[in-house]
Amino acid sequence: DADVTQTPRNRITKTGKRIMLECSQTKGHDRMYWYRQDPGLGLRLIYYSFDVKDINKGEISDGYSVSRQAQAKFSLSLESAIPNQTALYFCATSDPSSGRGTGELFFGEGSRLTVL
Amino acid sequence: LAKTTQPISMDSYEGQEVNITCSHNNIATNDYITWYQQFPSQGPRFIIQGYKTKVTNEVASLFIPADRKSSTLSLPRVSLSDTAVYYCLVGDIRGQNTNAGKSTFGDGTTLTVKP
Repeated sequence: DADVTQTPRNRITKTGKRIMLECSQTKGHDRMYWYRQDPGLGLRLIYYSFDVKDINKGEISDGYSVSRQAQAKFSLSLESAIPNQTALYFCATSDPSSGRGTGELFFGEGSRLTVL
Repeated sequence: LAKTTQPISMDSYEGQEVNITCSHNNIATNDYITWYQQFPSQGPRFIIQGYKTKVTNEVASLFIPADRKSSTLSLPRVSLSDTAVYYCLVGDIRGQNTNAGKSTFGDGTTLTVKP
């Protein structure tokens, strides 16, 4: 089983619909992130959370909201989806004090969202 | 946030050494340099991280000059399976304050390894 699991993996929706992408992790990490990737481009940070009570905006938070329901769960919502939010979304976790101590980001397999 | 600049693409042949350079002129004192590899429709995967001078692990080396305004990822003897996008990430990723979350990915370098 994957350490960082995203659901759904693929979703097609219509403009104006509310969409939630969910992320759960079994790594026991406190830090969780949501990134967006557009074709041919790098990853851009949407939101990140360092613990359940800590939520921070990234580069491109407009049009998105998040919820950290538990240490292991971090959800991304699009309140009213629009076509230019069509992208590949990645959830990631990190813990600077574990493993190699590098703050390495561990990514999920991605959620491909298409807004028509 | 430190902005990063990498070549858009590079080609190589199997068995050659590949060097990919990343520029990060406004790197901050607490920033580390981390490189990731990404295959199509997968999340990026950690390759190597450094702060200064040279770091080597089982898959790559990372060279960082004294001014830390650039870094070079070196992949020895590449194979077809090394065809991927490589990202340079600069940020205080090990830090304890919430600014540590604001590491910036560039647009990456697409490496194509030919037989």
